[in-house]
Amino acid sequence: DAGVTQSPTHLIKTRGQQVTLRCSPKSGHDTVSWYQQALGQGPQFIFQYYEEEERQRGNFPDRFSGHQFPNYSSELNVNALLLGDSALYLCASSLFGTDSKETQYFGPGTRLLVL
Amino acid sequence: AQSVTQLGSHVSVSEGALVLLRCNYSSSVPPYLFWYVQYPNQGLQLLLKYTSAATLVKGINGFEAEFKKSETSFHLTKPSAHMSDAAEYFCAVSVSGTSYGKLTFGQGTILTVHP
Repeated sequence: DAGVTQSPTHLIKTRGQQVTLRCSPKSGHDTVSWYQQALGQGPQFIFQYYEEEERQRGNFPDRFSGHQFPNYSSELNVNALLLGDSALYLCASSLFGTDSKETQYFGPGTRLLVL
Repeated sequence: AQSVTQLGSHVSVSEGALVLLRCNYSSSVPPYLFWYVQYPNQGLQLLLKYTSAATLVKGINGFEAEFKKSETSFHLTKPSAHMSDAAEYFCAVSVSGTSYGKLTFGQGTILTVHP
């Protein structure tokens, strides 16, 4: 049973460029969350997708956007990259529902370096 | 707003010694609490979680944590440290009453284990 997968593993971009990161959730999961982890910091919540809609959003600018596909996979897009966007981007998947006790499982992350 | 404070950014122990990593949280509603471990260049792996059942929670690799509402704490312990426990540990809180909601993480504690 494959866990959460993310691609690419590493990425180098220059300021002002745009980037797309991809995530496939664990089998059976329908909810995807994205987190940004700057060097030496804890992960910060960006947003969460369920049923192809953004359900919750953290304190991130509109340059950060996302999408969820019918197969539950998700993309994170960042426009007009800044040096400060350099970080490890983590995807987590889980199962939606008030009775759900299913834990959030994290992928290995995509390390983005903005030069 | 909810928050998590991990006391001590670095903890060093000898192999075989007790491991104690401290976590305090603030939340206006009953929280769900989690401990995750991150090995170098990897994503987050769940060690254990508290979801309003038993206050003493046992996790993987011999770790356990106790939820103390009066102290707003959820400290992580392990009776005897192994070299393989060296990693970064994150405490996280969810105040949505679910396991799949937004997680707020602490800054992390790097555990070093000496032979």
